[in-house]
Amino acid sequence: KNQVEQSPQSLIILEGKNCTLQCNYTVSPFSNLRWYKQDTGRGPVSLTIMTFSENTKSNGRYTATLDADTKQSSLHITASQLSDSASYICVVRPGGGNKLTFGTGTQLKVEL
Amino acid sequence: EPEVTQTPSHQVTQMGQEVILRCVPISNHLYFYWYRQILGQKVEFLVSFYNNEISEKSEIFDDQFSVERPDGSNFTLKIRSTKLEDSAMYFCASSLQGSEQYFGPGTRLTVT
Repeated sequence: KNQVEQSPQSLIILEGKNCTLQCNYTVSPFSNLRWYKQDTGRGPVSLTIMTFSENTKSNGRYTATLDADTKQSSLHITASQLSDSASYICVVRPGGGNKLTFGTGTQLKVEL
Repeated sequence: EPEVTQTPSHQVTQMGQEVILRCVPISNHLYFYWYRQILGQKVEFLVSFYNNEISEKSEIFDDQFSVERPDGSNFTLKIRSTKLEDSAMYFCASSLQGSEQYFGPGTRLTVT
């Protein structure tokens, strides 16, 4: 069964600090992996999309990595801001379909 | 910047009643999706729609659910006879070529 697992479940950091979120998946065949940011009560917003051949991709202060051999990904947030407080969701698209598999997300809280 | 819109933002209905959730996808997009998120749980795929027909659906999308693109701009999700367990946030999404999906803000459905 296709699954996406994320860790940690929740995380509290101080403003200005960096953090790294983890994602492991068992989706096969694999097409791409996405990281979304979801604010409370809002729809997910895409941060990065990576295909099988991409190892790293950046979007401003967000940098995602992908190891397709070990089926692991990470999202690194640099110099966190209060507005980064949200749920960060790892999502995998299988090859040959549009049915995205979502992780349960990491709830990040950035404090002063 | 174009965005996906959804109405209503919150719908309260009694068990057994029919509800229609409405979405206006981004105008030049060709693929349309519905997802749901039960409170505190992960986002789950319901259905994808392309070229005026369902291209993929999950096991959640049973005979009680239907989708329609009635007029070339709206994309609707109908639940024929709502159950308590249908209470969730329903997200519509659209994409141009089945890759990057843009999510709407969601409709919170409460079944009493």
